[in-house]
Amino acid sequence: AQSVTQLGSHVSVSEGALVLLRCNYSSSVPPYLFWYVQYPNQGLQLLLKYTSAATLVKGINGFEAEFKKSETSFHLTKPSAHMSDAAEYFCAVSNAGKSTFGDGTTLTVKP
Amino acid sequence: GAGVSQSPSNKVTEKGKDVELRCDPISGHTALYWYRQSLGQGLEFLIYFQGNSAPDKSGLPSDRFSAERTGGSVSTLTIQRTQQEDSAVYLCASSLGQGRGYTFGSGTRLTVV
Repeated sequence: AQSVTQLGSHVSVSEGALVLLRCNYSSSVPPYLFWYVQYPNQGLQLLLKYTSAATLVKGINGFEAEFKKSETSFHLTKPSAHMSDAAEYFCAVSNAGKSTFGDGTTLTVKP
Repeated sequence: GAGVSQSPSNKVTEKGKDVELRCDPISGHTALYWYRQSLGQGLEFLIYFQGNSAPDKSGLPSDRFSAERTGGSVSTLTIQRTQQEDSAVYLCASSLGQGRGYTFGSGTRLTVV
């Protein structure tokens, strides 16, 4: 069995501030972990993925995530938020070929 | 094709009618998935096709829902006797396999009135 918990359904930051979106997972086997982003009126797109090669994973648009096995976490960060980062972000855990998604976190960026 | 294509993009149907939703995955992607996204909620897994294996139907919410994938490519999700609670965005995704991540289509927004 696998599950994902995203802490905070809404996160608001100022432009230029640190972005931190939290994700904790549960998996009975070593997981694959993903972050997806859904911009307004667009489909979901893959932001980054963890597949056991390295614990710190870099993705598109300056985002990165760190896999911490001891904390069963895969939090998403970006050092400096941009207005264009406003979107909904989904964390997902995958094994046996299919992914389980979190409920999503809506990121608002204030000017 | 270049991406995952879903049709129609929007569908309004009357309660009790049957609907068919189509997904055309990326050529060469062996895995195909259907998910459902209701307003303000996350993605709910429906069904998963991998190559020629029997599909994983464990997420289908009732026997009114069925899906097929012909020739390892195009997939159709059928909902019979639609109910208002079936209203949602139905998302299709394809993948090269485990750990590769999904490429999603733009979805079909289904409204049952």
